[in-house]
Amino acid sequence: QVQLQESGPGLVKPSQTLSLTCTVSGGSISSGDYYWSWIRQPPGKGLEWIGYIYYSGSTYYNPSLKSRVTISVDTSKNQFSLKLSSVTAADTAVYYCARAQYMITFGGVIVRDFDYWGQGTLVTVSS
Amino acid sequence: QSALTQPASVSGSPGQSITISCTGTSSDVGGYNYVSWYQQHPGKAPKLMIYEVSNRPSGVPDRFSGSKSGNTASLTISGLQAEDEADYYCSSYTSSSTLVVFGGGTKLTVL
Repeated sequence: QVQLQESGPGLVKPSQTLSLTCTVSGGSISSGDYYWSWIRQPPGKGLEWIGYIYYSGSTYYNPSLKSRVTISVDTSKNQFSLKLSSVTAADTAVYYCARAQYMITFGGVIVRDFDYWGQGTLVTVSS
Repeated sequence: QSALTQPASVSGSPGQSITISCTGTSSDVGGYNYVSWYQQHPGKAPKLMIYEVSNRPSGVPDRFSGSKSGNTASLTISGLQAEDEADYYCSSYTSSSTLVVFGGGTKLTVL
């Protein structure tokens, strides 16, 4: 059974960089069978996709966050990470990591759903 | 404003059936069969309930079913049970640069 676990600081100051890591157990990121994603949920609000990464390092980001987001992968540790720079109070949210099932089409990669999720970690942006 | 439109709330009594709609465009829901539905209980992570419009992952009760017509996808829960009370989110692949879009979520109340 695949399990994902987020870790990182729960409090970040405005203008600083938010950094989170997702550790995957019960399966190998290097298998190439999935993409690995970050999704966030502001308190009392809906879900927002941030981006995803393949084991090779190939990434796709939400255009609304692309200028501030970096997702990286460490296959030796079976982890992938999120960095979000220049944070403001609007970035306060529960951040989830998730496994993404994908398809290869003529147009490229399509992520069809997120089948396993971490428990989520609340990150508050405040001075 | 979310890319996919869901009703804010729906309700039903135990044993009844309810349907939650998810309306998008021809660039997402209407153009592709990559619609998924997630159940989220308070303080918990979302759980995949339906993928590719109408498929259930292993372990999801067959009381949950999905369908699509045009630009609108639907999640139907039959034989409502108390434990079905939760928030439900739809999601779809989109051919826009956003790639993944979610609905705003629907709160299901079991009366």
